Amino acid sequence: SYALTQPPSVSVAPGQTAKISCGGDNIGRKNVHWYQQRPGQAPVLVMFYDSDRPSGIPARFFGSNSGNTATLTISRVEAGDEADYFCQVWDNSGDHVVFGGGTKVTVL
Amino acid sequence: EAQLVESGGGLTQPGGSLRLSCAASGFFFDTYAMTWVRQAPGKGLELVAMISGSGDGTYYVESVKGRFTISRDNSMNTLNLEMDSLRVDDTAIYYCAKSVRQAIVVAHYFDQWGQGTLVTVSA
Repeated sequence: SYALTQPPSVSVAPGQTAKISCGGDNIGRKNVHWYQQRPGQAPVLVMFYDSDRPSGIPARFFGSNSGNTATLTISRVEAGDEADYFCQVWDNSGDHVVFGGGTKVTVL
Repeated sequence: EAQLVESGGGLTQPGGSLRLSCAASGFFFDTYAMTWVRQAPGKGLELVAMISGSGDGTYYVESVKGRFTISRDNSMNTLNLEMDSLRVDDTAIYYCAKSVRQAIVVAHYFDQWGQGTLVTVSA
């Protein structure tokens, strides 16, 4: 079955840029979606179809997807961005949803 | 604005049963597939079950097949998950989530999530 690989953690200083990767076989051919989960809260959709932002998500959040890696980039990181981030795709071969293992973003 | 509110979680022994419910509001409930996604303590997200907008199609992750049953009442805007033969490894927060699609076998993502309900299976 299709697998997504995320780094367990990313640390970034306030005001700097955080890049969260999501690796998968030819993931560039799939649509990738991203969820933010702040501590103790439910997941929130922050990016869909690789690079589309839902209303209310700041433009500091940017998504890209090519080759074997999709990336969620958060520029000018703020304390409120500290959260777990999960990528997600649809696995056509198995007809099911696949989540990445999640990346914990720590704001130093 | 769409809202999802889960209920029914709690503590039960291995082999026990629980019924989770999710009350939906703020959108045309029967237009969208609905899912239950769980998160074990300190772990990632796992889609457990999905049901089409009309209720005529369902999907279960292999580990819950034959033990869990997903259903929906479109007249009451309610999603349910009947969980039988519960195991210790079913312990998790269970989230109700709304898909952007109606059918099952199509690419999904989830634009609304409830706050979750905790299920603890322990002797």
